[in-house]
Amino acid sequence: GAGVSQSPSNKVTEKGKDVELRCDPISGHTALYWYRQSLGQGLEFLIYFQGNSAPDKSGLPSDRFSAERTGGSVSTLTIQRTQQEDSAVYLCASSWSGYSPLHFGNGTRLTVT
Amino acid sequence: QQQVKQSPQSLIVQKGGISIINCAYENTAFDYFPWYQQFPGKGPALLIAIRPDVSEKKEGRFTISFNKSAKQFSLHIMDSQPGDSATYFCAASQGAQKLVFGQGTRLTINP
Repeated sequence: GAGVSQSPSNKVTEKGKDVELRCDPISGHTALYWYRQSLGQGLEFLIYFQGNSAPDKSGLPSDRFSAERTGGSVSTLTIQRTQQEDSAVYLCASSWSGYSPLHFGNGTRLTVT
Repeated sequence: QQQVKQSPQSLIVQKGGISIINCAYENTAFDYFPWYQQFPGKGPALLIAIRPDVSEKKEGRFTISFNKSAKQFSLHIMDSQPGDSATYFCAASQGAQKLVFGQGTRLTINP
């Protein structure tokens, strides 16, 4: 089937606006992750969903960031009152669980002007 | 303790040569060490992974060497090809959850 799908692929927004980023994981994958990749940097963990368990939000950089996962499938990452330092590529990944590999989407490139 | 340090940041290798990228970690609870390959505009894709019960794993031209006592692991790409030009990330985790990534190495293979 299809891989991890993210939308939009690019988003330009004005400072102070809210944005929503969407992730459609691979069907059947129980684990879903959001990572942030800043220019020339590694991947920074943001949040992790596993099945019906409470999400691990330990990587969210501020309370302006939130995420939800509906019905154990689609996930939305919301950034409120965007700032220029939020500009980055936001990557979503899913996996079966345990030691199965993460499958990444192609990301959403967010630019805050 | 959660950091994974990766070097070099960039690497240029001639076609046919060996590319070597190194990573070091601190957290002794880590038990899963994958390498990801990323092309421009794409998400990272798993290349090869190792668990600490073995010291080396080979898949085609790609080999991971693992030194548990030194808390280091490395990726070797034999007979490097221009198509291998990409950014490579090492990562580590406990139980393959919440991967901690290195800063990445931009590899360029000159023809």
